[in-house]
Amino acid sequence: DAGITQSPRYKITETGRQVTLMCHQTWSHSYMFWYRQDLGHGLRLIYYSAAADITDKGEVPDGYVVSRSKTENFPLTLESATRSQTSVYFCASRWTGGRDEQFFGPGTRLTVL
Amino acid sequence: AQTVTQSQPEMSVQEAETVTLSCTYDTSENNYYLFWYKQPPSRQMILVIRQEAYKQQNATENRFSVNFQKAAKSFSLKISDSQLGDTAMYFCAFMKLGGSEKLVFGKGTKLTVNP
Repeated sequence: DAGITQSPRYKITETGRQVTLMCHQTWSHSYMFWYRQDLGHGLRLIYYSAAADITDKGEVPDGYVVSRSKTENFPLTLESATRSQTSVYFCASRWTGGRDEQFFGPGTRLTVL
Repeated sequence: AQTVTQSQPEMSVQEAETVTLSCTYDTSENNYYLFWYKQPPSRQMILVIRQEAYKQQNATENRFSVNFQKAAKSFSLKISDSQLGDTAMYFCAFMKLGGSEKLVFGKGTKLTVNP
């Protein structure tokens, strides 16, 4: 299917465990982004990537790791999950430049117990 | 750093009426875009409307229109003939052109359309 997908859609884990959230897009968009959405905060940028093998920190990167070995994939890893990382995570992608919008995945609801 | 402020955490409107959602932003940039995204209960983020800062004309998309006041750094969304399906969270977002082109979001306004 064309578009941007995230997996899993729901995840429950325990404090201290490693968790990886997957993001896949079929458009060959250059840019990919990870946001987290928390009540009262809107969406905040965790990490972004301008192209394969190019990543950079966003507003709230602590406790997260990303990689982008292929243009279409942008996984987000929580190396040692904490309760404060309970959130809804959105992946997004877009072309470089121009007036194109960011296209969002359906989100992953992560609960850390 | 850019900031986006949505001063109305919640709003409600009667079906078929008009409602305006407020958004202000702070930036020293001259080239940027502004967006309104809708997030219904399904959680999917849906683009409602976009505005290029260099355009003086306000953007419109069917029942949705914006009032873009660049000098005042204001970007309000007007929804005409409100429908039950408009019930959602609405987020205002800023994007500086060049660099990462990331989105900076406001905290959102929860809009309820009442029958």
